[in-house]
Amino acid sequence: KQEVTQIPAALSVPEGENLVLNCSFTDSAIYNLQWFRQDPGKGLTSLLLIQSSQREQTSGRLNASLDKSSGRSTLYIAASQPGDSATYLCAGGTGGSYIPTFGRGTSLIVHP
Amino acid sequence: DGGITQSPKYLFRKEGQNVTLSCEQNLNHDAMYWYRQDPGQGLRLIYYSQIVNDFQKGDIAEGYSVSREKKESFPLTVTSAQKNPTAFYLCASGDRGSPLHFGNGTRLTVT
Repeated sequence: KQEVTQIPAALSVPEGENLVLNCSFTDSAIYNLQWFRQDPGKGLTSLLLIQSSQREQTSGRLNASLDKSSGRSTLYIAASQPGDSATYLCAGGTGGSYIPTFGRGTSLIVHP
Repeated sequence: DGGITQSPKYLFRKEGQNVTLSCEQNLNHDAMYWYRQDPGQGLRLIYYSQIVNDFQKGDIAEGYSVSREKKESFPLTVTSAQKNPTAFYLCASGDRGSPLHFGNGTRLTVT
């Protein structure tokens, strides 16, 4: 069964810093990996989706990479802003029935 | 606009009552999911359905029930058998290879 772990659990940085959020998974037969953002009391918003055949995806200041052999994905946020403050979750789906399994998330605070 | 609608946003119930949470999508997705989120926890899968008239238990299905009579709708019933029902419930839909879409959630409080 796929298990997903995210570190750190919480992160507080000053505005303007580049930062990296980590996601590790146990089953390398991953179908795809998705990064989400969750604001307090809200649902999840999809940020980036990386298919198993891809190594990375980029959207604006966000870049996500996938390394199946090491069981890791990273989300890189460039030039962080206070508006980036939220919880970031990753989810990996294993082939077959493809059921997304979520990590517990990284709570990010970017202070001015 | 395509999306997922969950209702109501907040729900209050007395212990011992069954309650049904609504989830509707107009994204034409075959697969739909129900997750539960507790403070400090990740999302835990309750039930999922990959096609109309079929659904499967997730990791924490005890005390919950679902139906999938229409492609667009996947309601979740929290029964009185669920020992700790107070939580934030999230519905999602998606197809293999495409991003997972979420509703805005229903916060259920049982007293």
